[in-house]
Amino acid sequence: SQKIEQNSEALNIQEGKTATLTCNYTNYSPAYLQWYRQDPGRGPVFLLLIRENEKEKRKERLKVTFDTTLKQSLFHVTASQPADSATYLCALDNSNYQLIWGAGTKLIIKP
Amino acid sequence: KAGVTQTPRYLIKTRGQQVTLSCSPISGHRSVSWYQQTPGQGLQFLFEYFSETQRNKGNFPGRFSGRQFSNSRSEMNVSTLELGDSALYLCASSLGTLSSYGYTFGSGTRLTVV
Repeated sequence: SQKIEQNSEALNIQEGKTATLTCNYTNYSPAYLQWYRQDPGRGPVFLLLIRENEKEKRKERLKVTFDTTLKQSLFHVTASQPADSATYLCALDNSNYQLIWGAGTKLIIKP
Repeated sequence: KAGVTQTPRYLIKTRGQQVTLSCSPISGHRSVSWYQQTPGQGLQFLFEYFSETQRNKGNFPGRFSGRQFSNSRSEMNVSTLELGDSALYLCASSLGTLSSYGYTFGSGTRLTVV
């Protein structure tokens, strides 16, 4: 069955450093992949979408890569700030108006 | 522009009761999706509507149902509530076609079944 895996343990990063989060998937070939941020008690907030024919996408301090051979996406937060602390979720479309979600990785940026 | 509005924000219900949750999408968005989020299962797809038609449904029992109105507002209903239905229910709207804008989520309805 389709499966998405994200680092289950929290990622602790020192302020100013680059945080890298991983999203791996199996048994699937998605047309695009999305990354969201979620704060406690709130709905996810869309950050970036990358298509299968794109290798890299950037938005301000965020960068996403997509390797369809490795079946992996990496999400980078450069010059990290305490305000970047949140849970980050990756999601794949299943071409049937549905997103399949990873469990999310909690990112903690320490001042 | 106004975001996705979900009402109510919090609900406490007793086992066996039924509940209706409401979602108003962003103006112009014709697709509305519903997800259930729990600590153990993460985000699970419930169903998706586009122009009042259900285009896909997740693996949930028939107690979970939904509908979409002509103004794109959507409701979901859960009948005969069980303790395991306690969760954050999220509604997301989108233009309905693949775009670079992703999905816009509401803040969710926190349902507690006692």
